[in-house]
Amino acid sequence: EPEVTQTPSHQVTQMGQEVILRCVPISNHLYFYWYRQILGQKVEFLVSFYNNEISEKSEIFDDQFSVERPDGSNFTLKIRSTKLEDSAMYFCASSASNNQPQHFGDGTRLSIL
Amino acid sequence: QKEVEQNSGPLSVPEGAIASLNCTYSDRGSQSFFWYRQYSGKSPELIMFIYSNGDKEDGRFTAQLNKASQYVSLLIRDSQPSDSATYLCAVNPGEGYQKVTFGIGTKLQVIP
Repeated sequence: EPEVTQTPSHQVTQMGQEVILRCVPISNHLYFYWYRQILGQKVEFLVSFYNNEISEKSEIFDDQFSVERPDGSNFTLKIRSTKLEDSAMYFCASSASNNQPQHFGDGTRLSIL
Repeated sequence: QKEVEQNSGPLSVPEGAIASLNCTYSDRGSQSFFWYRQYSGKSPELIMFIYSNGDKEDGRFTAQLNKASQYVSLLIRDSQPSDSATYLCAVNPGEGYQKVTFGIGTKLQVIP
């Protein structure tokens, strides 16, 4: 069964450093998403991406965050200058259309020191 | 603020019993409803989705939707210890939105 893949599984970074999280969505899906989950809290929406542009973003997704689809398969989330409070699990998801089920990758655990 | 509310639990049921998980949502215009299972330290795994009022069955799982009451539920029949996990209710707000809003999740414990 096709799946969303994310790399790395765990990223440890010093505060203030840039980090890039990578995702390969399911190949025939058109909508891509990033969510995060701080330990013990809800899964929170960050951003959705369709047709090579951001289609929706939350208040969390400020100027420190950016997304890119650099080629036909990868979808990346960049955090420019990480803060301690960015420590969380980051999940990439994709869906075939905008109200179809979203399928999640295994996540990247981001730890900011 | 569009909210999705769930009792965080834990909900304990004996093996073989029916587990009933409930969720309410605040946005009356919501159109798509999803149940995900999340094992500790893992990612959300889709188990059911429902778009229309009524029941939808898939194996041991039944999703129920009542848009008038803004209520969605998940029944798990013949509960197994392997069903022990946190069950996340997720709601798509409707036309023009791509995101889903998640509830906190209900922790289910199936006791052998």
